[in-house]
This record gives sequence, C-alpha cells and structure tokens, in this order.
Amino acid sequence: DAGITQSPRHKVTETGTPVTLRCHQTENHRYMYWYRQDPGHGLRLIHYSYGVKDTDKGEVSDGYSVSRSKTEDFLLTLESATSSQTSVYFCATRLALTGELFFGEGSRLTVL
Amino acid sequence: AQKITQTQPGMFVQEKEAVTLDCTYDTSDQSYGLFWYKQPSSGEMIFLIYQGSYDEQNATEGRYSLNFQKARKSANLVISASQLGDSAMYFCALTGGGSQGNLIFGKGTKLSVKP
Repeated sequence: DAGITQSPRHKVTETGTPVTLRCHQTENHRYMYWYRQDPGHGLRLIHYSYGVKDTDKGEVSDGYSVSRSKTEDFLLTLESATSSQTSVYFCATRLALTGELFFGEGSRLTVL
Repeated sequence: AQKITQTQPGMFVQEKEAVTLDCTYDTSDQSYGLFWYKQPSSGEMIFLIYQGSYDEQNATEGRYSLNFQKARKSANLVISASQLGDSAMYFCALTGGGSQGNLIFGKGTKLSVKP
C-alpha cells in the first residue's frame, strides 16, 4: 500500500477560522487528490495536483485552495471555514498503470 | 460527462450467501476503468477490484468478482460466501476522463451481513 498520511486526523474549529489539512506520501506518485465525503454524496473531488506547483480545481472547489511545493506534500486550505465544510476529507494518490487511487486515513473536520 | 449510479442505498445478505451490488455508468470515453472500494465503519477506503474497458474477461479477486457488461454499461460487484466482516459501505468508481486521472464515485451501497 502507498504510504499516505493525513494530519490532523480530527479537528474542531469555529466558523471563519482558517484550516489547513496536510497530506504526505512516500510513494513518489505524481498525481494527488483531495476529496470530501458527505452522507448521500459519496466522494467528491475538491482539487487535484499533477506535479509540483501544478494544481487544478475539481467538482467542489469553492472555498478551498491547495498547494504542492514538494512531490510528497499536498496541502488543502480552507481560508475561512464554514459549517458546510464539515466533512471527512480524504487525500489520495494515483497508481499510473491502472488509475487505482490509494487513500489516506481521512481527516474529520467539524466547523462549529 | 462521466457518471456513476448505485441504486441500492442499503442491502442485507445472510452470512455465507452471495450478494450482488449494482453499478451502472455513463462515459463517452473508449478507454476507461471501473473500480470498487470498500469502506468499513473504521473509515478507511480499501481497493477491492479493477476492470479495464478493454479487458475481455471479468475481473476476479478472491471472493470478489466484477460482472462487467459493457453494452449495458454495468459493472456489478459480486461477493461470494459473505462474511460478517463484509459489512461495510461499497463504492463503485469510474475513471474521470481527460488528464485529471481522478475517479468519479457513486453514492455507495451499505451492505449488512446477517449471522
């Protein structure tokens, strides 16, 4: 399995505060993704990266930004958290050959 | 646009019986991949099985098999000899097309295995 770690695993914050979630991989995969998971919606793509400093928007990118300064790290930032961003966030990397995604353990964010 | 549909929000199966989880998809791509993931109550996403659109045979991985019917655009997951540990959410996913390389996920099916 790809070594993917997310931090923090759990966070409670207040509306209007900035939040950064970190994803770290040890597999040197080029592609990295941030998804959010909400009941009844499955997993939805927020942002993705196809290389260092190369990022693009996904399906539900409003209110989120990302950065990738090193191959192994992909950061997701909520500039001003809202209650609608309460969710479980998954980071993933991609196996080039088949397109299989390897997921981190998830980060549960609660915005009060 | 790519689309994945899982029409069964929840299912029950008796232990040791087989169960089929439905998945239909829509894509305009000629080359694509279909995936199934399992998410137990602990929350991690576990890859189960992959089917490429040009694969002539249905994929199998242990007790998991994928019933791939290309003309009908369906990719159903079959779990044989269900075990209590199979109780989980199951997600079908389709390659997203273009250069993104992401997967498009269905909304999932919650499988409960009864002893």
